[in-house]
Amino acid sequence: GENVEQHPSTLSVQEGDSAVIKCTYSDSASNYFPWYKQELGKRPQLIIDIRSNVGEKKDQRIAVTLNKTAKHFSLHITETQPEDSAVYFCAATLYNQGGKLIFGQGTELSVKP
Amino acid sequence: DGGITQSPKYLFRKEGQNVTLSCEQNLNHDAMYWYRQDPGQGLRLIYYSQIVNDFQKGDIAEGYSVSREKKESFPLTVTSAQKNPTAFYLCASTPAAVGVGELFFGEGSRLTVL
Repeated sequence: GENVEQHPSTLSVQEGDSAVIKCTYSDSASNYFPWYKQELGKRPQLIIDIRSNVGEKKDQRIAVTLNKTAKHFSLHITETQPEDSAVYFCAATLYNQGGKLIFGQGTELSVKP
Repeated sequence: DGGITQSPKYLFRKEGQNVTLSCEQNLNHDAMYWYRQDPGQGLRLIYYSQIVNDFQKGDIAEGYSVSREKKESFPLTVTSAQKNPTAFYLCASTPAAVGVGELFFGEGSRLTVL
């Protein structure tokens, strides 16, 4: 079936360094790719999203890039801070299944002061 | 305060018992969803509903049931047929059609089967 693969499952960086999380998707018709952040014990919250007609989107220290040909998209966090520590999930729409979202397995990011 | 309210936050169940998790939203959203979260497996869709009195199975619907009698409410019943029900359950909603726009999540319900 259709799926989204997310890597790495855990990521540890020093404060101030950059972090990159990568996802690949299988449904070539997917057209919407959000990223959610879930802090420990809290609900997931949308941090950035990108649609298939755009190759890159930035919002302050975070950015998402999309390569439709290769069917992969990535989250980039620059100048990481301890409050960036959380689990990050990527997702993609299943266009041929009514636009349902399918999530990656999650990446636990730890930013060490 | 607008949002999604899930209850209870923690629930313990004996094997063989059904349990119902509540999800209420006052955002006037049409679409509502139930996800199950297990460590290392991301969020998996159980059921979703785009409109009152209509709902569809997600990827892991076996052992679960839902109803959508009111726009604001989308309760999930975990039945005794669910073989491994211990998990964290998240309810979510979106303003309109499935897959379009931001998912607004509740705070979750943690179910433990004893």
